[in-house]
Amino acid sequence: GAVVSQHPSWVICKSGTSVKIECRSLDFQATTMFWYRQFPKQSLMLMATSNEGSKATYEQGVEKDKFLINHASLTLSTLTVTSAHPEDSSFYICSASYPGTSGRGYEQYFGPGTRLTVT
Amino acid sequence: KQEVTQIPAALSVPEGENLVLNCSFTDSAIYNLQWFRQDPGKGLTSLLLIQSSQREQTSGRLNASLDKSSGRSTLYIAASQPGDSATYLCAVNDYKLSFGAGTTVTVRA
Repeated sequence: GAVVSQHPSWVICKSGTSVKIECRSLDFQATTMFWYRQFPKQSLMLMATSNEGSKATYEQGVEKDKFLINHASLTLSTLTVTSAHPEDSSFYICSASYPGTSGRGYEQYFGPGTRLTVT
Repeated sequence: KQEVTQIPAALSVPEGENLVLNCSFTDSAIYNLQWFRQDPGKGLTSLLLIQSSQREQTSGRLNASLDKSSGRSTLYIAASQPGDSATYLCAVNDYKLSFGAGTTVTVRA
């Protein structure tokens, strides 16, 4: 249980275009979803937190107008990188969380990641 | 702001040796702490999750301890194998996950 999928797994786009990444919780309802970015040889950095039906909360230094997050339902969140530039090339990973009933409260379940390359 | 530190940054051992990976964090008000494995170019594989009320968790050759008061966790991997070569990430959950930079492990055959 607690499977999270991401689509696409990799994408190449041209500079100036926008790209959308989907994150889905397949077998549970995610009250909260998180988006992370990982540059080569670095650890994961939280970009934003989104609750279903609410505006996302962005971490300091993350441009909310550039990284648009929509959490339209309890099973789907999307990250749109607008006007992408080569410096946005990175590995984007989402996670989903729910309070849970097994005592593992607020555990985050991770998607497999999306490799974005902007040329 | 939660700060998570992992030591050492890299580790190379011969096959069969036990591995000890360390993680420290600055704020002890946490829900849980999680250890992940990440292979090059891949996503995260959850290894162990320790709730804040627990002292340790075990799964097969893996054992993780948590000392919340001192802000420390240790991941032990017994009888290492070449397949254990990966980067191991520690993450502290105080509603948001804060990750350490990771320890890259190489197990030599």
